[in-house]
Amino acid sequence: EVQLLESGGGVVQPGGSLRVSCAASGFSFRNYDMKWVRQAPGKGLEWVSGISDNGAMTNYADSVKGRFTISRDNSKSTLYLQMNSLSADDTAVYYCAKGRGSSFPLGVGMDVWGQGTTVTVSS
Amino acid sequence: DIVMTQSPLSLPVTPGEPASISCRSSQSLLNTNGYNYLDWYLQKPGQSPRLLIFLNSIRASGVPDRFSGSGSGTDFTLNISKVEAGDVGVYYCMQALQTPRTFGPGTKVDIK
Repeated sequence: EVQLLESGGGVVQPGGSLRVSCAASGFSFRNYDMKWVRQAPGKGLEWVSGISDNGAMTNYADSVKGRFTISRDNSKSTLYLQMNSLSADDTAVYYCAKGRGSSFPLGVGMDVWGQGTTVTVSS
Repeated sequence: DIVMTQSPLSLPVTPGEPASISCRSSQSLLNTNGYNYLDWYLQKPGQSPRLLIFLNSIRASGVPDRFSGSGSGTDFTLNISKVEAGDVGVYYCMQALQTPRTFGPGTKVDIK
């Protein structure tokens, strides 16, 4: 079964850091672009970041550029999002999503989503 | 950034009847390869989003043919030929042409 399982969410103080992970299974992780998408409480979806299949190319939303870093370890089939200088505006459920292919930077759909991990930034 | 708008934002539907959601982008999503880089997602209550349509009109695996996408350039439409009770949730369009990707505000579909 194709599956994405996020972990690492929690409560962090403003200005703090957190790294969330996404473990993939059931497909050849190294062959697909991956993304992070977040959803603040009661709000819509916001694309955060994407990474190419080999990790060589990345892109970010303006709201997180310079603070967040996306990376992947294809040997472990795991995607990461390192989040620094967190603020209340970063409070959200963070979803990882699998791209349908390796067409970075163009997108051809995110066809598998994890259940999400909740990040709360609060003092 | 490309701004995505959707209408209506709320759509009460009757099972068995058709439904339609409009999505507009502030810039053309038509790439030089002839494809419109527009996705549709459905987020059912309490669930993660699910891909319905990519490249404007291609249904994702397992998506019923009741769902169809159309349009080009800056104007797009998601059609549901006969709504079922299980289709309730929030529908989002998203442009996949430029970084940053941007979603529409969502259209909440519920049963009348």
